[in-house]
Amino acid sequence: EAGVTQFPSHSVIEKGQTVTLRCDPISGHDNLYWYRRVMGKEIKFLLHFVKESKQDESGMPNNRFLAERTGGTYSTLKVQPAELEDSGVYFCASSQRQGGTEAFFGQGTRLTVV
Amino acid sequence: DQQVKQNSPSLSVQEGRISILNCDYTNSMFDYFLWYKKYPAEGPTFLISISSIKDKNEDGRFTVFLNKSAKHLSLHIVPSQPGDSAVYFCAASANGQNFVFGPGTRLSVLP
Repeated sequence: EAGVTQFPSHSVIEKGQTVTLRCDPISGHDNLYWYRRVMGKEIKFLLHFVKESKQDESGMPNNRFLAERTGGTYSTLKVQPAELEDSGVYFCASSQRQGGTEAFFGQGTRLTVV
Repeated sequence: DQQVKQNSPSLSVQEGRISILNCDYTNSMFDYFLWYKKYPAEGPTFLISISSIKDKNEDGRFTVFLNKSAKHLSLHIVPSQPGDSAVYFCAASANGQNFVFGPGTRLSVLP
């Protein structure tokens, strides 16, 4: 069974540019989460999809971040325009149920904004 | 305000000995707790979990203990192996909501 996959593995962009990160969850997992780890600190929640619906987007830092999950399959996270403080590792995770179960993480996308 | 705390940023243990990683939380609504292990340049890997209805869960060399009254959980690794060297994150969720992670503890198992 394929795990959670994220593309690209790393991205270097200039301030003001746009970047789109993609996450393919484990097949059959309705729950998809985006997290971010900045400067080696704690892993912070960004948002949670249940199928194609946003269940909780309380962690999204500002309106420069836009997440979508068309058809309830893969998800994209777009940052537009990117700022220096957006640099970090963006993790995607998926789980089968909403509660009482572990989430499986992708390898992350390292975003560097210069 | 950190809801999940791991007060030891790092821990060094001799191979073969027990590693004990601690985690404290503040939100009494948390009902599910997990430990993840993370190697450099990889995503977190699920290690072990515990529901709030239990106080202990064991899986091979890994045991998680939960003390609800103290809002404290710990991960015991015995015996510790060099391959266990990684950053360990404690995470918690409430009512099926998103996972809240602690800042992590870097474990170094010395041969």
